Amino acid sequence: GENVEQHPSTLSVQEGDSAVIKCTYSDSASNYFPWYKQELGKRPQLIIDIRSNVGEKKDQRIAVTLNKTAKHFSLHITETQPEDSAVYFCAASDQTGANNLFFGTGTRLTVIP
Amino acid sequence: NAGVTQTPKFRILKIGQSMTLQCTQDMNHNYMYWYRQDPGMGLKLIYYSVGAGITDKGEVPNGYNVSRSTTEDFPLRLELAAPSQTSVYFCASSYILDRIEYFGPGTRLTVT
Repeated sequence: GENVEQHPSTLSVQEGDSAVIKCTYSDSASNYFPWYKQELGKRPQLIIDIRSNVGEKKDQRIAVTLNKTAKHFSLHITETQPEDSAVYFCAASDQTGANNLFFGTGTRLTVIP
Repeated sequence: NAGVTQTPKFRILKIGQSMTLQCTQDMNHNYMYWYRQDPGMGLKLIYYSVGAGITDKGEVPNGYNVSRSTTEDFPLRLELAAPSQTSVYFCASSYILDRIEYFGPGTRLTVT
């Protein structure tokens, strides 16, 4: 099955700085890549996703880039704010079924005021 | 809409006990899922359903069972609880298979 690796496992940034989280995947058939934010003790929230027919997608301060050749994708958060502090998960899917959506192990982002 | 609701929020079981985690959604979604999240780990799929009467195994189904008699409800049954089933369980639903937008609040289960 798919293997999704996520780095770093923890990340601390000063408020206002940018944060970048990277994921790699193993299955070249994967073509859907969502990102989730999970605040402490809360449910995961889908914050952005990208399909393989585009290389980049942006939503306000959040952007995701995809490099299918290298099999990696990244989450970029600009102008970070304390409320961005959370655990972020990437995932990859070949869209053939729910049992083919695999999650990374998460990145704990801390934004220091 | 209440979205996806789960009960209970917390539960402590003794080894060998059984229980059912309840999940309900009011968005008329065909797709529903059960995930478990172990500390410091991502989500792992236990079971999923593509519609009433249809269920299938995910990555980690052993020790669990599900049923889907209605569109709204997708209960998860634990038989003979084991310490390895200590985890946080999330139910979810979606319009599109594998684009999962709606998670329940989670059930924190401890088996001792």
